[in-house]
Amino acid sequence: RKEVEQDPGPFNVPEGATVAFNCTYSNSASQSFFWYRQDCRKEPKLLMSVYSSGNEDGRFTAQLNRASQYISLLIRDSKLSDSATYLCVVSRPGGKLIFGQGTELSVKP
Amino acid sequence: DADVTQTPRNRITKTGKRIMLECSQTKGHDRMYWYRQDPGLGLRLIYYSFDVKDINKGEISDGYSVSRQAQAKFSLSLESAIPNQTALYFCATSDLTSGRGNEQFFGPGTRLTVL
Repeated sequence: RKEVEQDPGPFNVPEGATVAFNCTYSNSASQSFFWYRQDCRKEPKLLMSVYSSGNEDGRFTAQLNRASQYISLLIRDSKLSDSATYLCVVSRPGGKLIFGQGTELSVKP
Repeated sequence: DADVTQTPRNRITKTGKRIMLECSQTKGHDRMYWYRQDPGLGLRLIYYSFDVKDINKGEISDGYSVSRQAQAKFSLSLESAIPNQTALYFCATSDLTSGRGNEQFFGPGTRLTVL
């Protein structure tokens, strides 16, 4: 079993749709949680950190459930520019990051 | 100018050749990392360094070596390249002292093909 697992995707949605990505992690000692975005053939970039209380950044909302070892990302009113691969990332004690395999999102006009 | 740069950006080489990938950063970060990315597998950690002369193995270090001779530079070597090392390679940095030590900043990547 992979340490971080994501919805396999791809997700194909129309503009304006709401889309949710799910992620589970297996290491209960994981300390920090993130969503990164990766455009095709480009480097990953931090989208947002995920906090236990849940957090929102504009159209993006991230949730963390430590008991279930589950992380989610909700994108509301999706834009064409949201098309990318979204990486769920978990840090182990000591700071190493473990990346999920990514979920591809394609937003269509 | 980019904060994290990688050279070369693309490289085609033959089985058995030695190749070095370079990473430089102007962010002043103490921690540096090398990852490889393969389709469907996500990013996997090869080696990481928390300071000059500090070297640690990641998940998939076999067949690779690294050198951290200066804070700003972290190089990855393939002593004898093989075709299954064909992948996209990323260098990343992070800064423990910023309070956001887990956020990593990535270079643009090196696309390596081993024939």
